[in-house]
Amino acid sequence: GAGVSQSPSNKVTEKGKDVELRCDPISGHTALYWYRQSLGQGLEFLIYFQGNSAPDKSGLPSDRFSAERTGGSVSTLTIQRTQQEDSAVYLCASSPPTGLPSGNTIYFGEGSWLTVV
Amino acid sequence: AQTVTQSQPEMSVQEAETVTLSCTYDTSESNYYLFWYKQPPSRQMILVIRQEAYKQQNATENRFSVNFQKAAKSFSLKISDSQLGDTAMYFCAFLGNAGKSTFGDGTTLTVKP
Repeated sequence: GAGVSQSPSNKVTEKGKDVELRCDPISGHTALYWYRQSLGQGLEFLIYFQGNSAPDKSGLPSDRFSAERTGGSVSTLTIQRTQQEDSAVYLCASSPPTGLPSGNTIYFGEGSWLTVV
Repeated sequence: AQTVTQSQPEMSVQEAETVTLSCTYDTSESNYYLFWYKQPPSRQMILVIRQEAYKQQNATENRFSVNFQKAAKSFSLKISDSQLGDTAMYFCAFLGNAGKSTFGDGTTLTVKP
């Protein structure tokens, strides 16, 4: 697709259930980011993938959160045993390789709105 | 670690007037990229303007321009001829050479008719 694609766009889940959020970055983009945004708040960095390098997981809030990126493309963010405080919009973004004219620019998906009830 | 500070949580401006949003950052890197993103109620993050730190010339995109002061680590956004559609949350962002990004907490801008 032309842009960063995220699914589902909306997810309502019961407390204690696991959820998976998917991100399909722009083709050819080597960097992929996950952020969390609570209502009316700023962006909270979660995790960053760059090519084949080990991901930067420093923003993951607890061990209930994990993410993987298969084949350097699609990424899945998994939240285990969801809690009400996990309710937020989860934004995925990608960036092209440095050195390209459009490099070093972050392009965002439309986000996945998670509600834990 | 880089930090990005937006000191104005909320701002308002009358339609057709000019408004400036402030952003300061801290980094030890010499080459990096700075951005302003707009987030309307739809939640879609829209790139407004991009500045490469090695370029002295301030970036401009139509009604949007920046005042980039590298020594002062300041990167303000000026919106001229404000329009109702400019009402949104605005985020200042830093992107370093290692690819790590840092965003400010955002400024909510309201354009009043």
